[in-house]
Amino acid sequence: KQEVTQIPAALSVPEGENLVLNCSFTDSAIYNLQWFRQDPGKGLTSLLLIQSSQREQTSGRLNASLDKSSGRSTLYIAASQPGDSATYLCAVRPPLPGGSEKLVFGKGTKLTVNP
Amino acid sequence: GAVVSQHPSRVICKSGTSVKIECRSLDFQATTMFWYRQFPKQSLMLMATSNEGSKATYEQGVEKDKFLINHASLTLSTLTVTSAHPEDSSFYICSARVGAGGPGAYNEQFFGPGTRLTVL
Repeated sequence: KQEVTQIPAALSVPEGENLVLNCSFTDSAIYNLQWFRQDPGKGLTSLLLIQSSQREQTSGRLNASLDKSSGRSTLYIAASQPGDSATYLCAVRPPLPGGSEKLVFGKGTKLTVNP
Repeated sequence: GAVVSQHPSRVICKSGTSVKIECRSLDFQATTMFWYRQFPKQSLMLMATSNEGSKATYEQGVEKDKFLINHASLTLSTLTVTSAHPEDSSFYICSARVGAGGPGAYNEQFFGPGTRLTVL
C-alpha cells in the first residue's frame, strides 16, 4: 500500500529565504508525482507535475525534483514571499496501464513566510 | 485553461437531509472525475471515481448508497450526500482528469475549490 509522508508538518521562515519541502513515498512504482498548493478553506492548485521518467520540473521560483528509486521528491522555493504561505501537498499516482488513477496524498507541509 | 468549479462552496444542513454538490469542468471535457474528502489536518482521501455514462467506482469503506454520484455529461458530475449526519461534515473536493489534447499534462488532475459541508 502506497504511503506518502511529508516533512516537516509545518515550517516558518522569514521572507526572502530559500526553502525545501520534502516528500517521501513507500512504493517507487509511480506514474507521476504532483505538488499542490492549498490555501485555508480552498481547493488545490497544481504547481508542478513530474512524470516518472523525469527528474525535475521548474516553474518560476519553484523547482521540484524526483528520485524515484529512493522514493523522494523535494519542492524548492526560492526567495520566499508572504504570499507563498499555504499548505503544500505532495501526491503520487500508481503506474499505468491497469493501475488506479487514485492519487495518494501526504498530509502536507504548512508553510508560513513572515514579512 | 483546465478550470474546475464546484457549487455550492459552503452548505449547512440539518441532520437527515440530503445535499447535492456539483462539479463542473468549465473549459474542457472530463470523461473522468474524482471525489475526495478532507478532514481537518488530514490528507485528501479519494471517495470515488466517476466516469461519464457509467457507474462510479467507490473506494473501500465508502458507502455507495450514502454518497450517490452521477456523471451525466462530459462536464458535470454530482455528489449527493443522502441522509447526512454530523460525521459527514467535511471538505469535499472534486477533480477532473484531462485527456489527450487537453490543457496541462496528459492525465493530469485539476481540482475544484471545494465544498464545506456542515451537518448540524
